[in-house]
Amino acid sequence: AQSVTQPDIHITVSEGASLELRCNYSYGATPYLFWYVQSPGQGLQLLLKYFSGDTLVQGIKGFEAEFKRSQSSFNLRKPSVHWSDAAEYFCAVNAGNMLTFGGGTRLMVKP
Amino acid sequence: DTAVSQTPKYLVTQMGNDKSIKCEQNLGHDTMYWYKQDSKKFLKIMFSYNNKELIINETVPNRFSPKSPDKAHLNLHINSLELGDSAVYFCASSPGTGRSYEQYFGPGTRLTVT
Repeated sequence: AQSVTQPDIHITVSEGASLELRCNYSYGATPYLFWYVQSPGQGLQLLLKYFSGDTLVQGIKGFEAEFKRSQSSFNLRKPSVHWSDAAEYFCAVNAGNMLTFGGGTRLMVKP
Repeated sequence: DTAVSQTPKYLVTQMGNDKSIKCEQNLGHDTMYWYKQDSKKFLKIMFSYNNKELIINETVPNRFSPKSPDKAHLNLHINSLELGDSAVYFCASSPGTGRSYEQYFGPGTRLTVT
């Protein structure tokens, strides 16, 4: 069965600093991977997705993610964090018409 | 302009009551879903419908009954509500059932059972 692990429950970064959120997946076939962001009291918004091809994918709001098959990872990065990036971030794998989510990482941004 | 909408946004009710949550999407998608987010923010699929037909039922208690009157709507009816049903329920939709399709989420319905 598929699973997704986000090792960091909370991360705090200073505004303007770089960010990396970790995601590890377990899936027997080619993974279809997604990163979603959930702002307080809001639904989930898709940041980016990976299916195949270039292992570095670009998303909205200046985010990117790198797929590393050898490490079963799909880490999310942003070079310079803005205060508005404070939110909950979810990594997910689609393994047959349903998303399996990681536990989420709460990002806090210090002024 | 709202792509996936849910009503109500908040729902407070007592144990034992029956309640419904409605979901509508105006994206023309064929597939719709219900997810449950618990108090620790963990998200889990409950149901998936494709063209009004149930295709996924993830061992959800039969007190939960989804109904899809048409492709644009997927409602969730819950009987005999229990304290453990308190959560945020998200509706989502996608163009089809392929793994590459992204899912579009509604704003969520926060259900509180007292």
